[in-house]
Amino acid sequence: SYELTQPPSVSVSPGQTASITCSGDKLGDKYSCWYQQKPGQSPVLVIYQDTKRPSGIPERFSGSNSGNTATLTISGTQAMDEADYYCQAWDSSTVVFGGGTKLTVL
Amino acid sequence: EVQLVESGGGLVKPGGSLRLSCAASGFTFSSYNMNWVRQAPGKGLEWVASISNRNGYIYYADSVKGRFTISRDYAKNSLYLQMNSLRAEDTAVYYCAGVDTAMVALAYWGQGTLVTVSS
Repeated sequence: SYELTQPPSVSVSPGQTASITCSGDKLGDKYSCWYQQKPGQSPVLVIYQDTKRPSGIPERFSGSNSGNTATLTISGTQAMDEADYYCQAWDSSTVVFGGGTKLTVL
Repeated sequence: EVQLVESGGGLVKPGGSLRLSCAASGFTFSSYNMNWVRQAPGKGLEWVASISNRNGYIYYADSVKGRFTISRDYAKNSLYLQMNSLRAEDTAVYYCAGVDTAMVALAYWGQGTLVTVSS
């Protein structure tokens, strides 16, 4: 079965750029998405189709996907961005999630 | 406003059954592929099952295949998950999520319902 691998944790200072990676075999050939989940809340879509932002998601969130790696980048990271982030792709019409990355803003 | 509201969670003994429901409003339910996603306490997201909008294609994670059944009622704008032969490892918050086919992403999520399997 298809697998997506994320680092368990990433730390960033306020105002700096955070990058969270997601690795999978030929992931660049698939569409990737990213979800943000804060404690006690449901996941929220922040990036779809590799690079696009849904309405209401701040411009500081961006994405890329090439080769075997998709990357979520948060520019000018704010304290409110501290959350768990999950990448997601499709494999034979089924949903695959990465293990999640806890972003700490300190 | 898009709303997905899950219900039906609770405490059940190992080997027992439970039926989850998800009521949809604020969007054209019949146009969306729907999914169940779960999250065990302190763990990550795990996809459980999906059902397509038109052709009725259904898919299950290996961990629930043969025990869980996903279905939908277009007249009631509702999604269901029948869970049988429940195990302790099925303990999780269960979310229903709708796929925006233009986005190719799980754009809509409910608030989740907690299922606890314990004796």
